[in-house]
Amino acid sequence: QQQVKQSPQSLIVQKGGISIINCAYENTAFDYFPWYQQFPGKGPALLIAIRPDVSEKKEGRFTISFNKSAKQFSLHIMDSQPGDSATYFCAASMQNSNYQLIWGAGTKLIIKP
Amino acid sequence: GAVVSQHPSRVICKSGTSVKIECRSLDFQATTMFWYRQFPKKSLMLMATSNEGSKATYEQGVEKDKFLINHASLTLSTLTVTSAHPEDSSFYICSARNLGLGEKLFFGSGTQLSVL
Repeated sequence: QQQVKQSPQSLIVQKGGISIINCAYENTAFDYFPWYQQFPGKGPALLIAIRPDVSEKKEGRFTISFNKSAKQFSLHIMDSQPGDSATYFCAASMQNSNYQLIWGAGTKLIIKP
Repeated sequence: GAVVSQHPSRVICKSGTSVKIECRSLDFQATTMFWYRQFPKKSLMLMATSNEGSKATYEQGVEKDKFLINHASLTLSTLTVTSAHPEDSSFYICSARNLGLGEKLFFGSGTQLSVL
């Protein structure tokens, strides 16, 4: 019940296209859903996050869509660029557990020029 | 944004030696720090959680005598890999949070440990 399932494992998108990564969770007590971007040999960096009281959050080219009833959330990268090539992790946490993050397995995104 | 500095970025050591990794929050006080281990092409695995001034809480399966964590101040936590062996080779990442600033977690740049 503590798992966060992330798909796909890898994704190749043409430059300018839309990259979509999906995550699903079981525990309805989760109340914070961040996405992290990680480049090789570096630590993860917070990209964007959402709380379950909103269905969508947009920051620049990055959008989180959140479906509370389906217990799913997704990251959309519009106008994908080669510099977006990285591994993306979704995560979930809740206040009751001191916001300890439960991580998805990660998606390796490659943007082809 | 909040900055977490982690050093060294890469270390190579001989089997049996100990290695210390430092994690500093540069512009905020970290009430809680987390240490992760990451294997190639895998997700982050939480090793331990430490609150300033108290003993670290280790996840199941993580040897507390092998991975010593000290969180002596609100800006510094250290992870010491004692008597390192080749199987300890991995990417270690620290992260920090100040609950007064919300639920956001900020990460260091990671340390690649290679034990020969």
